Amino acid sequence: NAGVTQTPKFQVLKTGQSMTLQCAQDMNHEYMSWYRQDPGMGLRLIHYSVGAGITDQGEVPNGYNVSRSTTEDFPLRLLSAAPSQTSVYFCASSYTGYWANTEAFFGQGTRLTVV
Amino acid sequence: AQSVAQPEDQVNVAEGNPLTVKCTYSVSGNPYLFWYVQYPNRGLQFLLKYITGDNLVKGSYGFEAEFNKSQTSFHLKKPSALVSDSALYFCAVRDMTANTGNQFYFGTGTSLTVIP
Repeated sequence: NAGVTQTPKFQVLKTGQSMTLQCAQDMNHEYMSWYRQDPGMGLRLIHYSVGAGITDQGEVPNGYNVSRSTTEDFPLRLLSAAPSQTSVYFCASSYTGYWANTEAFFGQGTRLTVV
Repeated sequence: AQSVAQPEDQVNVAEGNPLTVKCTYSVSGNPYLFWYVQYPNRGLQFLLKYITGDNLVKGSYGFEAEFNKSQTSFHLKKPSALVSDSALYFCAVRDMTANTGNQFYFGTGTSLTVIP
């Protein structure tokens, strides 16, 4: 059971480049989400999804796009990278609805540096 | 809106002493509360949760947490700290209102250092 898998683990981008951070889970979780972690600011929600075809914005969505074409996958796209997007990104998944008393499972993170 | 606060950025404790990492919450409705631990360069790992029932919740690695409804707190505790407990700890609350997809809201984290 792989849980939540994020790729890549590390990435360096030049300002203006685009890229996609991949996230996949094999637990049949409806809820998937992306966070960024910055020193002193904890985890901030970027986007989330409650099922295939359904996405919504979190606290800091600007500069990021998501889509959810399958239950398993929830990629995060950086459209035009900026130095302010240098951060550690985490994907998390969980059950929702009736089973929302369960915890979130996290990937190992992607450390992104934009130069 | 739902939120959690971790009032201490840093907690230092001597090995063998009891430790407490504080968390207070603000929710509408019944709180679903969680604690996570993050070791360097790793993802967050679930420690324990409070959903309902007994106010003292036991979790992984000897940790426990006490839910206090009147003080809206959910402090993480361990009777005897180990050096290996040194890590970043996050408190979280899950929003159980239907219009947010049951989002998790995290505190800013508390860095625990256990001194040998």
